[in-house]
Amino acid sequence: DTGVSQDPRHKITKRGQNVTFRCDPISEHNRLYWYRQTLGQGPEFLTYFQNEAQLEKSRLLSDRFSAERPKGSFSTLEIQRTEQGDSAMYLCASSSIRRAGDEQYFGPGTRLTVT
Amino acid sequence: AQRVTQPEKLLSVFKGAPVELKCNYSYSGSPELFWYVQYSRQRLQLLLRHISRESIKGFTADLNKGETSFHLKKPFAQEEDSAMYYCALSGQGAQKLVFGQGTRLTINP
Repeated sequence: DTGVSQDPRHKITKRGQNVTFRCDPISEHNRLYWYRQTLGQGPEFLTYFQNEAQLEKSRLLSDRFSAERPKGSFSTLEIQRTEQGDSAMYLCASSSIRRAGDEQYFGPGTRLTVT
Repeated sequence: AQRVTQPEKLLSVFKGAPVELKCNYSYSGSPELFWYVQYSRQRLQLLLRHISRESIKGFTADLNKGETSFHLKKPFAQEEDSAMYYCALSGQGAQKLVFGQGTRLTINP
């Protein structure tokens, strides 16, 4: 297992377009998290899944954002009608409730640029 | 409200000198505190967490509940310590991490 993977690594889109990002967690991990990181800031929590259930959503996650994890494995994050303020690095992390410490392992991120 | 503050955006020290990266937090209960590190062109990774009380790569951090601090220390800095360091907390029963703004540490030869 090579760790958490994210696709695409970079995405440039025009304002108003929809974009979708994918995250593949470490295979035995049942928890999956999405964070957003803007320049000069630390990552900010967006949402988290345990298996296929979305258990928490940040107020940062406006109704233009939707996340799914349909089979409790990979997850997608969709942004509709993108705005320039959505430009950021989108990070995915996974962890296992069954492993001591529940450490979150991060993916490489998807960098979104909205022009 | 949960908040993590890292007062220094940039920190530069010479190789062999002691390093201290500051982290203060606000949380009304008993949080769990972490330090994450991001080396150049690598992904964010856990460096250490307060409950494990380990020393990783020569770094230690002690949770001071009275001062609500979790400063990261290393007695003798090495060039390979140059990286971005983030302090983070997780609240009781919560899974999400709340991160500080990060400190870019540069070790000069």
